[in-house]
Amino acid sequence: SQQGEEDPQALSIQEGENATMNCSYKTSINNLQWYRQNSGRGLVHLILIRSNEREKHSGRLRVTLDTSKKSSSLLITASRAADTASYFCATATHTGTASKLTFGTGTRLQVTL
Amino acid sequence: EPEVTQTPSHQVTQMGQEVILRCVPISNHLYFYWYRQILGQKVEFLVSFYNNEISEKSEIFDDQFSVERPDGSNFTLKIRSTKLEDSAMYFCASTLSGTGGEKLFFGSGTQLSVL
Repeated sequence: SQQGEEDPQALSIQEGENATMNCSYKTSINNLQWYRQNSGRGLVHLILIRSNEREKHSGRLRVTLDTSKKSSSLLITASRAADTASYFCATATHTGTASKLTFGTGTRLQVTL
Repeated sequence: EPEVTQTPSHQVTQMGQEVILRCVPISNHLYFYWYRQILGQKVEFLVSFYNNEISEKSEIFDDQFSVERPDGSNFTLKIRSTKLEDSAMYFCASTLSGTGGEKLFFGSGTQLSVL
């Protein structure tokens, strides 16, 4: 698999349910970030977890990181219709004098009423 | 929250023409990036830029591409002779530092269509 593969590719749930998305990567990282993209729009940063952290919370978001398995998960609790979007994990490596993100393939989340 | 702004939001051009995509990064940021996303595909890194020079570039960023910070506020991506396969959404991003320990602030993108 390529660096940053999300699973599942698509997820459809009802409002109020939890949504879990997984991400796997191959190389060592500085940190892992999750971004959201509404259809045809820009990327919005959701949360960043550093390589020495195992879990992080932000509002309804919970991110875990397992560097031994090179995987991360994003949990959105009590989902809302407005959470409908594509979600991407992105791994950050520090190269040269600037950081660089490698994005995954994304999970398309559909939250229905 | 401060924003990265990109213009235009949509650009249509003929194959072989030159295009310049413009970005205004967040004012106190020092590191600038271009990424692109072909429809239905991954977001791909193109180039990073710091201290008026390219820090790193991907294989996609060939001689047809160039970046410039012409003044204290703008950051541009130029494609000299566009190809059909250059059609994509182009995102500009910036960060205060390049340590790899912070989030990137992305603009809303320029949708480039090459006909």
